[in-house]
Amino acid sequence: EMQLVESGGGLVQPGGSLRLSCTATGFTFSTYTMTWVRQAPGKGLQWVSSINNNGRSTYYTDSVKGRFSVSRDNSKSTLYLQMNSLRAEDTALYFCTRDLTPGSALDVWGQGTTVSVSS
Amino acid sequence: SYELIQPPSVSVSPGQTANISCSGDKLGTKYVCWYQQKAGQSPVVVIYQDVKRPSGIPERFSGSNSGNTATLVISGAQTMDEADYYCQAWDSFVVFGGGTKLTVL
Repeated sequence: EMQLVESGGGLVQPGGSLRLSCTATGFTFSTYTMTWVRQAPGKGLQWVSSINNNGRSTYYTDSVKGRFSVSRDNSKSTLYLQMNSLRAEDTALYFCTRDLTPGSALDVWGQGTTVSVSS
Repeated sequence: SYELIQPPSVSVSPGQTANISCSGDKLGTKYVCWYQQKAGQSPVVVIYQDVKRPSGIPERFSGSNSGNTATLVISGAQTMDEADYYCQAWDSFVVFGGGTKLTVL
């Protein structure tokens, strides 16, 4: 069974940092582009960042550029999201997802990990 | 930046057909997928590449995409279909619509 399990969320003060992790099982992690999606409380889905299969190409939504960094360790089947200079508006449930193929769909989703930014 | 517009809510009676629209500039030239998110759960893809249905998704779910509008059709909607539905396309990167709350009662 294909599965993504996120971890690393928590409560952090504005300006603080967190590193999210996402461990994949049940598929060959190294062959897929991976994407982070977030959902603020009571709001819709928002794309955050994507990384291609070998980690050499990374992409970010404008609001997190320069503050967030996505990476992956294919030997550990793990995706990361380093989040720095956190703001209240970063408060959300963060989902790790798999890109079925470029331009098709995000076909596997984790259960999400909650990030709360508050003083 | 590219925007996808969905109606905030759609309401149908059980057994009726639910149509959920998603509008964007020249959307018909892009692939669209649809996600269903039930309360407290992660999203699940119900349609991808405009019209394809993943294994395990009931046949009552179908999609179309032409011009500036993509549509998710749920034929014979059931109470179990109550959920938030999001359209998604690619314009350099992933873009989501604002979501539509489907009520079946």
